[in-house]
Amino acid sequence: DVQLVESGGGLVQPGGSLRLSCVDSEFIFSTENMNWVRQAPGKGLEWLSYINSDSSTMFYAESVKGRFTISRDNAKKSLYLQMNSLRDEDTAIYYCARGHRSSWFASWGQGTLVTVPS
Amino acid sequence: QAVVTQEPSLTVSPGGTLTLTCGSSTGAVTSSHYPYWFQQMPGQAPRTLIYDTNNKHSWTPARFSGSLLGGKAALTLSGAQPEDEADYYCFLSYPGSRFVFGPGTKVTVL
Repeated sequence: DVQLVESGGGLVQPGGSLRLSCVDSEFIFSTENMNWVRQAPGKGLEWLSYINSDSSTMFYAESVKGRFTISRDNAKKSLYLQMNSLRDEDTAIYYCARGHRSSWFASWGQGTLVTVPS
Repeated sequence: QAVVTQEPSLTVSPGGTLTLTCGSSTGAVTSSHYPYWFQQMPGQAPRTLIYDTNNKHSWTPARFSGSLLGGKAALTLSGAQPEDEADYYCFLSYPGSRFVFGPGTKVTVL
């Protein structure tokens, strides 16, 4: 039972932009915090960004601050990541994760691949 | 920028016990770092095993437990199964809204 589905990944040239989406099938989306995490090919996990349930609080990793913007639409049960000024080091699988109660990462999507050639 | 440390690789025998650790370059890991532990099988998305040091999700096998040990966060696997062979990542929260994954530990059950 897949609850979180990411989309929007693909091949983009350096300096380009991409908008990732994450659609949640669970009714609890609007009450939970959300995160974006990425994983470069053959590498470990990297936390990118957090947004709370009512979009009043967002956090970003230094590596993407000023280039990436997290947002959400609770009516559409959707999470977004607007990615600008993309670099080859942004090549990765991007995962969204939904919190539940005090856990920030209760559920994970299957990821969407973003490729920025060097 | 804080650096989180983990053992690069560990091996455990089937049925054996294994402890993975998660350290921080800033000093001792405490409950205020809200340590998480994740399991990732090859080609799959991560799965959260432990949150806030020692809390389990409903899907976390009973053989996994989290704790603080010697200034580090620890994940103990008691009674290893072949299906526990995976990469394991920890995650720590720092003051100033900074959040860092460890580099991961590759666990082999052999």
